[in-house]
Amino acid sequence: EAQVTQNPRYLITVTGKKLTVTCSQNMNHEYMSWYRQDPGLGLRQIYYSMNVEVTDKGDVPEGYKVSRKEKRNFPLILESPSPNQTSLYFCASSLSRFQYNEQFFGPGTRLTVL
Amino acid sequence: AQSVTQPDIHITVSEGASLELRCNYSYGATPYLFWYVQSPGQGLQLLLKYFSGDTLVQGIKGFEAEFKRSQSSFNLRKPSVHWSDAAEYFCAVDPILTGGGNKLTFGTGTQLKVEL
Repeated sequence: EAQVTQNPRYLITVTGKKLTVTCSQNMNHEYMSWYRQDPGLGLRQIYYSMNVEVTDKGDVPEGYKVSRKEKRNFPLILESPSPNQTSLYFCASSLSRFQYNEQFFGPGTRLTVL
Repeated sequence: AQSVTQPDIHITVSEGASLELRCNYSYGATPYLFWYVQSPGQGLQLLLKYFSGDTLVQGIKGFEAEFKRSQSSFNLRKPSVHWSDAAEYFCAVDPILTGGGNKLTFGTGTQLKVEL
């Protein structure tokens, strides 16, 4: 089944404790991105990647890192999480960077930083 | 500033009634336009999209949307709502950037409640 998977689905952590949220897709997609969803703000893009070893900042990249060493994986790294990073995170992928390619979303990761 | 506006935060309709969810955008040129649906605890699913051509586009689950350039709007409609349509709906635009793409900007969402 074609899908985007994220792990963990739920995470509660404390300020400053490094964490990684994994994202994997099995559709051989070139383009992947991370969004955060906050009430009243919709979804905002954090980082995106057009292909392996090619990443760039989205609208709200502060406090996050990403890497794209393999085509299928696009982990989101929070080196020192803070409470304002409490949010619902979505990973998405599409065949290429072109807008006519549909973005497929993962199920989301709900992160709470205490 | 470029933006996407969904003026209705919550909408309640009766099952079987018609539905219209509003979306307005503010961009220099016509962007690519999308509607997504998010069911509780789920990721986002694409309902439909508009790139060019016929301004009335059909999507999945019986939804349609009409692009009106003069009003900078892309409203989502459904003639008869089913209880399973209860979800949050997001309008999104892609401003057709050169050099980078597939950068969706989302509205703040409209939560749809369906009364039986």
